[in-house]
Amino acid sequence: AQSVTQLGSHVSVSEGALVLLRCNYSSSVPPYLFWYVQYPNQGLQLLLKYTSAATLVKGINGFEAEFKKSETSFHLTKPSAHMSDAAEYFCAVSMSDSSYKLIFGSGTRLLVRP
Amino acid sequence: EAGVAQSPRYKIIEKRQSVAFWCNPISGHATLYWYQQILGQGPKLLIQFQNNGVVDDSQLPKDRFSAERLKGVDSTLKIQPAKLEDSAVYLCASSLRRGGGGYNEQFFGPGTRLTVL
Repeated sequence: AQSVTQLGSHVSVSEGALVLLRCNYSSSVPPYLFWYVQYPNQGLQLLLKYTSAATLVKGINGFEAEFKKSETSFHLTKPSAHMSDAAEYFCAVSMSDSSYKLIFGSGTRLLVRP
Repeated sequence: EAGVAQSPRYKIIEKRQSVAFWCNPISGHATLYWYQQILGQGPKLLIQFQNNGVVDDSQLPKDRFSAERLKGVDSTLKIQPAKLEDSAVYLCASSLRRGGGGYNEQFFGPGTRLTVL
């Protein structure tokens, strides 16, 4: 069975500092992996996705993530945080059976201090 | 291009009452998903439609939840009777066709926030 673990329900950084949100997955087959962002009272927006091509994936708003099979990780990073990055971030893995449904982690709330 | 539309945005009901949520997916999207997002948790898939057929409803509490997608376009999710633990945000998403890979991105609506008192 596939699952996702996000370490840290809250992460606080200063504006301009490095953002690192951690995600580890469990999958018996090569997974598809995703990062979504959710702003208050809004739906989820796709930041980036890994679908077995390049292991370093670049997304929108300056975010990127690296797929590391040996560590079963897909951590999200951004070199310099902006106040507008404050939101909830979800890592997800796509089921490899015929449904391809998404299994989400519990989320990490990013706080950006001025 | 219009996104996924959901209504109502907010709903407050008392336990044992019934409630219905509506979703209009992006035009041309064959696959429609309903997720439940409880406060502090990630979304959990309740049901997945491919056109007007159910692909996966393994996580849907069928004794109280029902969903339909008539004509393969709009969808309605109903809860009857509601329990306190049903308080959550109900998200609707759609994709061109079944799959979560590169060509089957799921687009999410703004959600309906349900409070059961």
